Amino acid sequence: AQSVTQLDSQVPVFEEAPVELRCNYSSSVSVYLFWYVQYPNQGLQLLLKYLSGSTLVKGINGFEAEFNKSQTSFHLRKPSVHISDTAEYFCAVSLYNQGGKLIFGQGTELSVKP
Amino acid sequence: DTEVTQTPKHLVMGMTNKKSLKCEQHMGHRAMYWYKQKAKKPPELMFVYSYEKLSINESVPSRFSPECPNSSLLNLHLHALQPEDSALYLCASSDNYGYTFGSGTRLTVV
Repeated sequence: AQSVTQLDSQVPVFEEAPVELRCNYSSSVSVYLFWYVQYPNQGLQLLLKYLSGSTLVKGINGFEAEFNKSQTSFHLRKPSVHISDTAEYFCAVSLYNQGGKLIFGQGTELSVKP
Repeated sequence: DTEVTQTPKHLVMGMTNKKSLKCEQHMGHRAMYWYKQKAKKPPELMFVYSYEKLSINESVPSRFSPECPNSSLLNLHLHALQPEDSALYLCASSDNYGYTFGSGTRLTVV
């Protein structure tokens, strides 16, 4: 079975500082990896995904993530955060996209302070 | 069209009511999903439809009844719900390149 661990439940950071949100996964087979953002009272928006190929993935809003197979990690990074990045961030894994389960981590609440 | 549309956005229902949540996508995705999300928690998978057939039911109580009338539509029929069923209900669809989520229906059971 697959599982996802987000190592930090809350990450406070000052505006314009860099941030890293950590995600580790467990699986005996290859997986697809995703990061989603959820703003208050809204649905989930895809930030980026890793399906195959280059291990450095660039997403929307200046976010990027690096797939590390040996460490089974998929950490999310942004070099300079804005107040508007304040939201809940979910890491998720799937065995395959169509018809498969998308399994979420517990989420990391990013709070950007002025 | 690259969206998943959910209606209604908000729903308040009594424990004896029957209501339905609707989800629609026109991206040609052949898999559709219902998730339930409680406050400050990740989404939890409820049902998966693949090619209009129910492929996964995560042991969801029978007061929740999914329906997939065609490849673009997904319904969730609700009957005799409990207050603890109050949550954000998210619909999603997927192809080989990823999952797309709707903005959800905020359900309150009174």
